[in-house]
Amino acid sequence: DAKTTQPPSMDCAEGRAANLPCNHSTISGNEYVYWYRQIHSQGPQYIIHGLKNNETNEMASLIITEDRKSSTLILPHATLRDTAVYYCIVRPSGAGSYQLTFGKGTKLSVIP
Amino acid sequence: DVKVTQSSRYLVKRTGEKVFLECVQDMDHENMFWYRQDPGLGLRLIYFSYDVKMKEKGDIPEGYSVSREKKERFSLILESASTNQTSMYLCASTQGAVAYGYTFGSGTRLTVV
Repeated sequence: DAKTTQPPSMDCAEGRAANLPCNHSTISGNEYVYWYRQIHSQGPQYIIHGLKNNETNEMASLIITEDRKSSTLILPHATLRDTAVYYCIVRPSGAGSYQLTFGKGTKLSVIP
Repeated sequence: DVKVTQSSRYLVKRTGEKVFLECVQDMDHENMFWYRQDPGLGLRLIYFSYDVKMKEKGDIPEGYSVSREKKERFSLILESASTNQTSMYLCASTQGAVAYGYTFGSGTRLTVV
């Protein structure tokens, strides 16, 4: 399975863009990149996913490099409610592809 | 909205007790999962089930068993609770091989004393 590497923590000023990096240098061609977040005392919540192209939804944007070895999750205007642990996950292909492996994630603190 | 409901938010049990953690989902999802979450270790998969009466071991199944007699319900069983099983337990469900469709419950914080 492809592994991911994320910084353990980041700070972001309220109202500014939060850019969360993820390295997945061993990703294979048919593996997707998924982002989830976990707000304190809640279960993880899906944010966005992508394969090759950049993706955007109402929550965030996902930028994947051309070689697919890294990606960045962008929260365009961070609010205090975005304070959470953010998980970058590469979904394995083939058998067990419905299984997600969560790492330690990045703890994002949005500061007033 | 899809709901995944875990029966208890907080539980305190004694060492050696048999403990049942219940999880129910209301969207007819095929796949259900049990994770535990500990500080500094992230989420670790204990067991999952892709159909009624089917189960597969995750990364840390030792000391646990599961039961899935009905599609909507997935139970995690600690046969003889130990203090190292004190943790936050999270249940999740998803339909098919759709990783973005994971829906998690709010978790059960279990303390074994």
